[in-house]
Amino acid sequence: QVQLVESGGGLVKPGGSLRLSCEASGFTFTDYYVSWTRQAPGKGLEWISYISISGYSIRYAESVKGRFTITRDNAEKSVYLQMDSLRAEDTAIYYCARDRYDSGGYYFEYRGQGTLVTVSS
Amino acid sequence: QSALTQPASVSGSPGQSITISCTGTSSDVGAYNYVSWYQQHPGKAPKLLIYDVNDRASGASTRFSGSKSGNTASLTISGLQAEDEADYYCASYTTAATWVFGGGTNLAVL
Repeated sequence: QVQLVESGGGLVKPGGSLRLSCEASGFTFTDYYVSWTRQAPGKGLEWISYISISGYSIRYAESVKGRFTITRDNAEKSVYLQMDSLRAEDTAIYYCARDRYDSGGYYFEYRGQGTLVTVSS
Repeated sequence: QSALTQPASVSGSPGQSITISCTGTSSDVGAYNYVSWYQQHPGKAPKLLIYDVNDRASGASTRFSGSKSGNTASLTISGLQAEDEADYYCASYTTAATWVFGGGTNLAVL
């Protein structure tokens, strides 16, 4: 079955960096885009970035643009989120989600439990 | 990109029907039929319920249905059950080739 396992979260000081990983299994990884979304404590969902199958098409939410970088390794069936210049407001559970395929599927499939990032001094 | 507008909370009695609205703009909800809905129980990951405005996800109950008119999408839950008590989020693809979520709606089954 489709699985997406997020890892790499933890406690980091403001201004620090963290790299999240999302490892996929149970489907043809190279058929799908992948997105990262997050949820701050007690708040709603926020989309923050996606990466296309080839890695050439990438988008970021304004809230993270210039600070976060998304990449993928199709051989490893993994997507990464490099988070730099972290702020307290980046504190959230980060979920990766399967996004669209080439001709459709414009929705998110969540198959992991997320990874918690806490930015605090 | 501003979040889509959802009511903060709705409530209903078991067996009743409720509708949750999701209002966007001509740059998101009104632009494409790429509106999806998610259910999230406390401490759990979101779960896809509806995609492409009105297509039910695999495994989603037939009591869930979606629709759209102009810049507003809606999720209707019929025959409310206690297990439907959760948070619900809409999401839409945008003309900027990004995604935007609604602020979320907490459903209470009284």
